[in-house]
Amino acid sequence: EVQLVESGGGLVQPGGSLRLSCAASGFTFSTYWMHWVRQAPGKGLVWVSRISSDGSSTSYADSVKGRFTISRDNAKNTLYLQMNSLRAEDTAVYYCARGVTVAVTTPLEHWGQGTLVTVSS
Amino acid sequence: DIQMTQSPSSLSASVGDRVTITCRASQGISNYLAWYQQKPGKVPKLLIYAASTLQSGVPSRFSGSGSGTDFTLTISSLQPEDVATYYCQKYNSAPTFGQGTKVEIK
Repeated sequence: EVQLVESGGGLVQPGGSLRLSCAASGFTFSTYWMHWVRQAPGKGLVWVSRISSDGSSTSYADSVKGRFTISRDNAKNTLYLQMNSLRAEDTAVYYCARGVTVAVTTPLEHWGQGTLVTVSS
Repeated sequence: DIQMTQSPSSLSASVGDRVTITCRASQGISNYLAWYQQKPGKVPKLLIYAASTLQSGVPSRFSGSGSGTDFTLTISSLQPEDVATYYCQKYNSAPTFGQGTKVEIK
């Protein structure tokens, strides 16, 4: 059974940093592109970032480019999102997600339960 | 960047009604279009991908159609358990979600 478990969320002041983790199990982690998607309270889904199976290729939404960094450790089956220069508008539940297939162009089939990040003074 | 626009933003229908949600891409995306269902307090669930392929385990009352820029999600007979917000997503190049359509029972 595919499992994705996020951690690392919490309360942080504007301008601060936070690193999210997503522990994966139940599949061959090193073969899949992985994604981060966020959802502000009461709002819609917003794609944040994705990373290739070997970590060599990444892409970001314009709203987080230059502030967030996605990475992975295939030996530890873990996905990360380093978030710097956090703003109030980054407040959201952050989900990690895996596609249906190992291709880059694939919809998101498996989702974690999410971790809440709150940016506030 | 390609924008995804859903309509309506919300709807209310009776049990048994046929419900249609529309998603429009600002540029052609072939059939790289997925639909997700998110029930209150729950994680999004993939319903349809490749515009019209039903994900395993999804009831057959859900269907999708379209290609290029215009897509639809249809619920043939609305059930109480279908109360949720539905999102379209293009998944080629930069993945982008629509703003969502909230479906309620009248």
